[in-house]
Amino acid sequence: NAGVMQNPRHLVRRRGQEARLRCSPMKGHSHVYWYRQLPEEGLKFMVYLQKENIIDESGMPKERFSAEFPKEGPSILRIQQVVRGDSAAYFCASSPLRSASGGVLTKNIQYFGAGTRLSVL
Amino acid sequence: TQLLEQSPQFLSIQEGENLTVYCNSSSVFSSLQWYRQEPGEGPVLLVTVVTGGEVKKLKRLTFQFGDARKDSSLHITAAQPGDTGLYLCAGELDTNAGKSTFGDGTTLTVKP
Repeated sequence: NAGVMQNPRHLVRRRGQEARLRCSPMKGHSHVYWYRQLPEEGLKFMVYLQKENIIDESGMPKERFSAEFPKEGPSILRIQQVVRGDSAAYFCASSPLRSASGGVLTKNIQYFGAGTRLSVL
Repeated sequence: TQLLEQSPQFLSIQEGENLTVYCNSSSVFSSLQWYRQEPGEGPVLLVTVVTGGEVKKLKRLTFQFGDARKDSSLHITAAQPGDTGLYLCAGELDTNAGKSTFGDGTTLTVKP
């Protein structure tokens, strides 16, 4: 019963380079979410994906950021031409199609990975 | 503007004390989750509440969902150093949206 796996745990990039962050959801989970977190702050939603589809990308910066969740393989968050302001912890979460709590079905019981800490020099 | 307001932002107490943290909004949520996050790790789900007025207990932790499903509280009895961490609430506005909104969290430090 592997949990949500993110790699790498730590990533160092120089300004202008590309960062690729990977997330393998829990087995049986078809929904993936990406969040960004700055020190001592909460999680800021970036994007919500299902297999081969972007459902909601309202939290993604308009430029340089992209995400995919292919039919096979992990979800990828890609940041092109990184800048120092991109330095943060990036978390991935996954959820099953539906979960039951108190007899009510909800989509949003999310299980998080340990995150990737991106440092841009 | 923050959809979910958590208070207090920081809380430092002695071992054995009780505490309550709050998660408030003007919006109605179909469900609300509480997570705890330790430094260098991802958030870990503690509880999900879905019914207005619902109370759930998890050992020394008591979670309450407001009658109007706009707010929630987390009460910890006899806090221990192991309770130290960032407590996050997250709300689901629409069961079909598949997206949660997170508060900025309460950082709790329990001193031995």
